Amino acid sequence: DIVLTQSPLSLPVTPGEPAAISCRSSQSLLHSFGHNSLAWYLQKPGQSPQLLIYLGSNRASGVPDRFSGSGSGTDFTLNISRVEAEDVGVYYCMQALQTPPTFGPGTKVDIK
Amino acid sequence: QVQLVESGGGVVQPGRSLRLSCAASGFTFKNHGISWVRQAPGKGLEWVALISYDGTNKNYADSVKGRFTISRDNSKNTLHLHMSSLRFEDTAVYYCAKVGLPVTSQGFFDFWGQGTLVTVSS
Repeated sequence: DIVLTQSPLSLPVTPGEPAAISCRSSQSLLHSFGHNSLAWYLQKPGQSPQLLIYLGSNRASGVPDRFSGSGSGTDFTLNISRVEAEDVGVYYCMQALQTPPTFGPGTKVDIK
Repeated sequence: QVQLVESGGGVVQPGRSLRLSCAASGFTFKNHGISWVRQAPGKGLEWVALISYDGTNKNYADSVKGRFTISRDNSKNTLHLHMSSLRFEDTAVYYCAKVGLPVTSQGFFDFWGQGTLVTVSS
């Protein structure tokens, strides 16, 4: 199975400041079609996960443009340009290149 | 708008069975693969099972293989997960999640239901 690691696991943030979360894969997630099979999700407290980024760098519908995804192969980053209070929760990366799909351990983001 | 509504959760004794359902609306159900993903209390996300858009391909996590069965009824826009020989470690919130791209079985999940809690307890 493909193993995903995230860092940091805990991220206290200041509203208005940028934030970044790293996701590393044990194998390349580059598909033969040229895209990266990596997605980012945010699970807000008490809610189900919501899709933020798919195929490595594509923002999902309705996701604010302060969220961006980058990276390729085995190293990926989720960036938040200016954190807002509503961005608190646990962020997960997920690979969909191989079955079983696997998730990173999650990064808990809260306000300082 | 896309909606996925899970039901069927509850408290069940170890070794017993339970069937979860997921009612879908707001998209062409028969065109999309669907997965079950679970989350144990206070833990991360764990993929459980996947069924292809037409029901011909099914995959399971090793932790549930031989005990859980995923199925779908495209005429009723409904997904099921039959869970048997339940164990304490199956206690979790179970989410159904829609594969974002049509026809393909693999891919990111673009919509999730609100989840249904399964508690295995004696």
